[in-house]
Amino acid sequence: DIQMTQSPPTLSASIGDRVTITCRASQSISSWLAWYQQKPGKAPKLLISKASSLEGGVPSRFSGSGSGTEFTLTINSLQPDDFATYYCQQYHSYSSFGQGTKVEIK
Amino acid sequence: QVQLVESGGGLVKPGGSLRLSCAASGFTFSDYYMNWLRQAPGKGLEWVSYISISGSDIYYADSVKGRFTISRDNAKNSLYLQMNSLRADDTAVYYCARDAVTLVRGPNYMDVWGKGTTVTVSS
Repeated sequence: DIQMTQSPPTLSASIGDRVTITCRASQSISSWLAWYQQKPGKAPKLLISKASSLEGGVPSRFSGSGSGTEFTLTINSLQPDDFATYYCQQYHSYSSFGQGTKVEIK
Repeated sequence: QVQLVESGGGLVKPGGSLRLSCAASGFTFSDYYMNWLRQAPGKGLEWVSYISISGSDIYYADSVKGRFTISRDNAKNSLYLQMNSLRADDTAVYYCARDAVTLVRGPNYMDVWGKGTTVTVSS
């Protein structure tokens, strides 16, 4: 099984900050990685697929990068709507998720 | 609009059974692979099961293998999850989600999610 490890678990940031979340895979997953945003009581929302492909309708301040075992999600100029929990998901071999990173207001 | 609506959740005793349903609308259900995922209270997301369009390819997470059965009825635009031998650690919100990639065996990433149905396993 492929284990996904996100860091940090919690991130405190201010409006306008640049935020970076890291996701590491226990083995190479090429670029088969997606990022989701989840708000309390809501279903996850797909942000990025194939490590760096932004989904339609997702603001351009979100970006993804990486390949192999190390990936990052970057949010440029954090907005009030961005305070949420973010998950990475590998789909190289079946599917598994990171434990999540909660982005909270500083 | 594209929509997935789960139902069938509830309170069940350990060792009991429950059948979840997911009704799809707004897209051609028979064109898409489908998944069940879950999220325990205060925890992260866990992929549970995947089914191909015809049902010929089915995969399960180790945590539910042998206890849960995924199925679909393309004529009824519906996805199902039969859950047997339920345990306390099966307590979660269960989501059905559409596999975003067509024609490529999954599970892949998921682009449409339902709102979820809550399953509580407790005596």
